Amino acid sequence: GQNIDQPTEMTATEGAIVQINCTYQTSGFNGLFWYQQHAGEAPTFLSYNVLDGLEEKGRFSSFLSRSKGYSYLLLKELQMKDSASYLCAAVFRGGYNKLIFGAGTRLAVHP
Amino acid sequence: DAGVIQSPRHEVTEMGQEVTLRCKPISGHDYLFWYRQTMMRGLELLIYFNNNVPIDDSGMPEDRFSAKMPNASFSTLKIQPSEPRDSAVYFCASMSQHTGELFFGEGSRLTVL
Repeated sequence: GQNIDQPTEMTATEGAIVQINCTYQTSGFNGLFWYQQHAGEAPTFLSYNVLDGLEEKGRFSSFLSRSKGYSYLLLKELQMKDSASYLCAAVFRGGYNKLIFGAGTRLAVHP
Repeated sequence: DAGVIQSPRHEVTEMGQEVTLRCKPISGHDYLFWYRQTMMRGLELLIYFNNNVPIDDSGMPEDRFSAKMPNASFSTLKIQPSEPRDSAVYFCASMSQHTGELFFGEGSRLTVL
């Protein structure tokens, strides 16, 4: 299977740091995406990790450990506008790129 | 580029009617994906194409669903006959294997009464 697991909901305070974890089955794994989705809108790209390690992009960073089947998205200096769903998606290669999404983590940022 | 373009944005129809959703991928992208999103099931992959060829349709719920990609700039997802449980937002997304980033359309919100 290609189960992708992430927490359903998280809450955090404005200005704080939050880490959203994602685990996946490693068989055929080829890379991991993080997407942000505001209510009623399409998902938008945040990051893509292929190699182990941390990729930083402004207030958002994404980490990948291929051997552990684990990734996280780190959001710093949280703002109210960061309240959204965060979707973890893994690419599985069986000759083609097959992108499977987790159920998403709903993040609520409070003042 | 205008991005991935989907139509219609909203459709309300009655059970038993045929529904056709349309998608224009980003020019030059060689992958096209159809996803369905509901509160209960999240974002589910229905089918995807590579260079206009269907690669994996194992996510298509049943024979009432069909998808085609007659050329590199157009794809359709058809539901016939539609049922209330098909109510969802249907997203089309395209990707270039060289960049790996998946771009989504704005989605088609389908309501089947």
